Amino acid sequence: DVKVTQSSRYLVKRTGEKVFLECVQDMDHENMFWYRQDPGLGLRLIYFSYDVKMKEKGDIPEGYSVSREKKERFSLILESASTNQTSMYLCASSLRGRMDGYTFGSGTRLTVV
Amino acid sequence: KQEVTQIPAALSVPEGENLVLNCSFTDSAIYNLQWFRQDPGKGLTSLLLIQSSQREQTSGRLNASLDKSSGRSTLYIAASQPGDSATYLCAVRTGNTGKLIFGQGTTLQVKP
Repeated sequence: DVKVTQSSRYLVKRTGEKVFLECVQDMDHENMFWYRQDPGLGLRLIYFSYDVKMKEKGDIPEGYSVSREKKERFSLILESASTNQTSMYLCASSLRGRMDGYTFGSGTRLTVV
Repeated sequence: KQEVTQIPAALSVPEGENLVLNCSFTDSAIYNLQWFRQDPGKGLTSLLLIQSSQREQTSGRLNASLDKSSGRSTLYIAASQPGDSATYLCAVRTGNTGKLIFGQGTTLQVKP
């Protein structure tokens, strides 16, 4: 069964900390995505990547960066965590073609205190 | 700009009922539409993927239809069960970058 694995289900971090959220997929997918999900705002795209070492800004990239050194791994980095980054973070992947569906991970619930 | 709307926002039905969830989108230039299920505090599970050239897809008790010209999709759930209680999200893949645009979801409660 194909999988997208997010390393942590729950994280609690302090304001100002540098936070790494890790996502690994075993499907040899070219595309990977990071979303955040907040009540009333739905899912919003933070960053995405079409290939190793490539990244594109999504709709809300401010305060975040990403890294994709290997095809299977896409990391989301909060350079200096703030309380307004408390959210559910969801990673997804898909094949290169636009006809393909997305596969999501189980999510990371991040709380910044 | 593509916008996706799901109506109703919440739905409560007794067990055994057949029900329909609605999804509409403003721009018919889509590659595909995907229905997801999300349980509280969990990630998204893909239910059905409909390509823009298709009219419907079926999986078990689920049937999704797509009318691209009118910008509508429906998810039909037959003989609902308490285990179907979850939030259902539809999303369209669209634009030059093929990004997924989500609706706000319909939260379904099936009462025993």
